[in-house]
Amino acid sequence: QSALTQPASVSGSPGQSITISCTGTFSDVVHDNYVSWYQQHPGKAPKLIIYDVINRPSGVSNRFSGSKSGNTASLTISGLQPEDEADYFCSSYTSSTTVGFGGGTKLTVL
Amino acid sequence: EVQLVESGGGLVQPGGSLRLSCVASGFTFDNYAMSWARQAPGKGLEWVSGISYNGGGTYYADSVKGRFTISRDNSKNTLFLQMNSLRAEDTAVYYCAKNPVRALLPFDYWGRGTLVTVSS
Repeated sequence: QSALTQPASVSGSPGQSITISCTGTFSDVVHDNYVSWYQQHPGKAPKLIIYDVINRPSGVSNRFSGSKSGNTASLTISGLQPEDEADYFCSSYTSSTTVGFGGGTKLTVL
Repeated sequence: EVQLVESGGGLVQPGGSLRLSCVASGFTFDNYAMSWARQAPGKGLEWVSGISYNGGGTYYADSVKGRFTISRDNSKNTLFLQMNSLRAEDTAVYYCAKNPVRALLPFDYWGRGTLVTVSS
């Protein structure tokens, strides 16, 4: 059982926007700003796309954005493209010295 | 260009041991914390362990505490994971990941992974 809860799947059509939520207990998602998001295509290693809730690494499309409200962090992908079809994982601290991942969300671009 | 290359995976019997290695290049290895994460077949990601830039701090998931040991050799730009008392549920692709200077998040670069299969 993951420390962080994500929907198992989301879908959208090309050009649309989708949002993936990541909900944790009060002590992990709310009290710090270290939520990060990863994209993983089948058979590939994960790739960092958002860190510290809202920041994008260099080279990541500005179609990806992150936010947080209460104990829920969110990843929004705007202008969906076929290559966005992948699994997405959130991550945060679950204590001062341990890290948790969400169970992952499969994004289908219709 | 940051590169992380894992090795050491393979088939091992329950109760056995395995040592994973991760050779890093393209950045100043001894300036950064490092981590191991794993992914069981068809499942999600699980953080396994992390280590501070100088090896002075080591951190473990409850699922591996007491069985796995993380270490690093900064002179060889290499991260290790010693895995003992292996169980079937340890079967996974093990990824090496780079962290920021003094934190376990985020994982800003990942290796391609090495497969560990625990089976008799």
